[in-house]
Amino acid sequence: DGGITQSPKYLFRKEGQNVTLSCEQNLNHDAMYWYRQDPGQGLRLIYYSQIVNDFQKGDIAEGYSVSREKKESFPLTVTSAQKNPTAFYLCASSRGGGSYQPQHFGDGTRLSIL
Amino acid sequence: EDKVVQSPLSLVVHEGDTVTLNCSYEVTNFRSLLWYKQEKKAPTFLFMLTSSGIEKKSGRLSSILDKKELSSILNITATQSGDSAIYLCAVNAGGTSYGKLTFGQGTILTVHP
Repeated sequence: DGGITQSPKYLFRKEGQNVTLSCEQNLNHDAMYWYRQDPGQGLRLIYYSQIVNDFQKGDIAEGYSVSREKKESFPLTVTSAQKNPTAFYLCASSRGGGSYQPQHFGDGTRLSIL
Repeated sequence: EDKVVQSPLSLVVHEGDTVTLNCSYEVTNFRSLLWYKQEKKAPTFLFMLTSSGIEKKSGRLSSILDKKELSSILNITATQSGDSAIYLCAVNAGGTSYGKLTFGQGTILTVHP
């Protein structure tokens, strides 16, 4: 079945530690996105990539980094510079980066601070 | 800055009721408005509305886009307990925001038996 796989489902971070969240899709989609969801808030865009080897900052990119070396994969690193990383992280993809392609989401990774 | 506001933030109803969820937006270069349902994990896509498709319907769910009022409504008739979820509205704008979705806060719908 085609879909978006995020791993791990739960992740704990220690102070000063970088952690990487995985996102893989087998939908042959060109565009991929990372969102953060906090309780009582909608999704906020962290980074997005419309094509391999290219990505742009979203609205809340500080303290995060990404890479897009393969079409299928868009990992997100939460660095120690992100002082409030506890949140639910969602990865999405769409057929193109255009405005008329719906984004489809993975099941998310819940990150907490130890 | 693009902005999307949903109301109400939460709603409690009984099975069989009809509900209307609201979404208003302020964006430059509006392209499309999307509705998602989020139960426990992944938001699932419901509808996309554009200037050329301002009304969508699927079973008990329907949605209308009002470009004049810069808003959209999502209607659910004969609600069931399985409709309990967070309903998210998102807007896709063009220009420098090409391809980006701006989300509202979501409406938490609880349907009691």
